[in-house]
Amino acid sequence: TQLLEQSPQFLSIQEGENLTVYCNSSSVFSSLQWYRQEPGEGPVLLVTVVTGGEVKKLKRLTFQFGDARKDSSLHITAAQPGDTGLYLCAGGGYGNKLVFGAGTILRVKS
Amino acid sequence: GAGVSQSPSNKVTEKGKDVELRCDPISGHTALYWYRQSLGQGLEFLIYFQGNSAPDKSGLPSDRFSAERTGGSVSTLTIQRTQQEDSAVYLCASSFYDEQFFGPGTRLTVL
Repeated sequence: TQLLEQSPQFLSIQEGENLTVYCNSSSVFSSLQWYRQEPGEGPVLLVTVVTGGEVKKLKRLTFQFGDARKDSSLHITAAQPGDTGLYLCAGGGYGNKLVFGAGTILRVKS
Repeated sequence: GAGVSQSPSNKVTEKGKDVELRCDPISGHTALYWYRQSLGQGLEFLIYFQGNSAPDKSGLPSDRFSAERTGGSVSTLTIQRTQQEDSAVYLCASSFYDEQFFGPGTRLTVL
């Protein structure tokens, strides 16, 4: 069974601080996706990484896929209150079936 | 709207009753997924439909859970003889290529 472990589970920081969320597995994934979910809504895709060692930037967000395609990280620079939400990583496998991590609840205080 | 819609948004039921949850995917999307999300947790895969192929039911937790997809579009997730541990948010997603687009979910509460 493929499992994804996310850490930390909860993060509360001040506006302007930097943070990193980690997603680790003992399994290799064909792709790794990061989602953001707000209360009462479904997850929204932020990025997909498919190549080992790949780095993608989305404004203040930087996503990295490990060389062995078993782990990934999300780094946010100068966090803002609008970044508050649940961040989920998901590993892609057979038939586009996704394996989700348990999520990281991020709260950014102004 | 052009997104995935789900109904009802909230459902409260008594233990032992059956419930039906509906998902309307984005028009033209060939794949449809159901997930379950417990409070503040990640998503648990339930079932996957792709075109006319037999669905992947490997995530259904028990035989009380079933789903169908009519005409390659609308899907219904049915839970029979609901139990309190079935309380969760049930999310539906559809896709054409790799990106899955999620609906807002149905919050099911079993009393």
